[in-house]
Amino acid sequence: AQSVTQLGSHVSVSEGALVLLRCNYSSSVPPYLFWYVQYPNQGLQLLLKYTSAATLVKGINGFEAEFKKSETSFHLTKPSAHMSDAAEYFCAVTADGNNRLAFGKGNQVVVIP
Amino acid sequence: KAGVTQTPRYLIKTRGQQVTLSCSPISGHRSVSWYQQTPGQGLQFLFEYFSETQRNKGNFPGRFSGRQFSNSRSEMNVSTLELGDSALYLCASSLVGFSSTDTQYFGPGTRLTVL
Repeated sequence: AQSVTQLGSHVSVSEGALVLLRCNYSSSVPPYLFWYVQYPNQGLQLLLKYTSAATLVKGINGFEAEFKKSETSFHLTKPSAHMSDAAEYFCAVTADGNNRLAFGKGNQVVVIP
Repeated sequence: KAGVTQTPRYLIKTRGQQVTLSCSPISGHRSVSWYQQTPGQGLQFLFEYFSETQRNKGNFPGRFSGRQFSNSRSEMNVSTLELGDSALYLCASSLVGFSSTDTQYFGPGTRLTVL
């Protein structure tokens, strides 16, 4: 079974500063990894996904993530935080042939003006 | 192209009742998955349907059930509601779901409150 770990439920970042959200995965087979964002009272929106092509994945809204097999990590970054980035972010994993996403606990990002 | 729609958006029920939630996938999508989101347990997979058949099931009691129709629309049902069933129920659709490269697109969810 696959799983992901996200540390730090709440993350505060100053506007204009680097956003870094950590995700570590566990999988006995090659994983497929996703980052989703959830705004209040809304569903999940896909930010980006890793599917074994390039290890550096660029997503929407200036976010990117790097897959590091040796560290079993898929951390999400954005060089400069914007007020509109305030939301909850979820890392998720699945494996080939299985459409079942396993989510981390999420990071609530607060952007300080 | 219209996104995933879920109805109703909000529901209030009492313990012991049953409830049915509906999900209409993106046009052309044949796989529909359901997830439960609670503050304590986070996002948990309930089940997935493809071509009117349940293909995957999570670790939930039998009170949780679902079905999919020939037009790919899906419903989930919770019988004998408990207070702990209060949650946001999210539906996600994808093209075929056989490949993990297939992206799941989520609806806005149905907020269920059990009193």
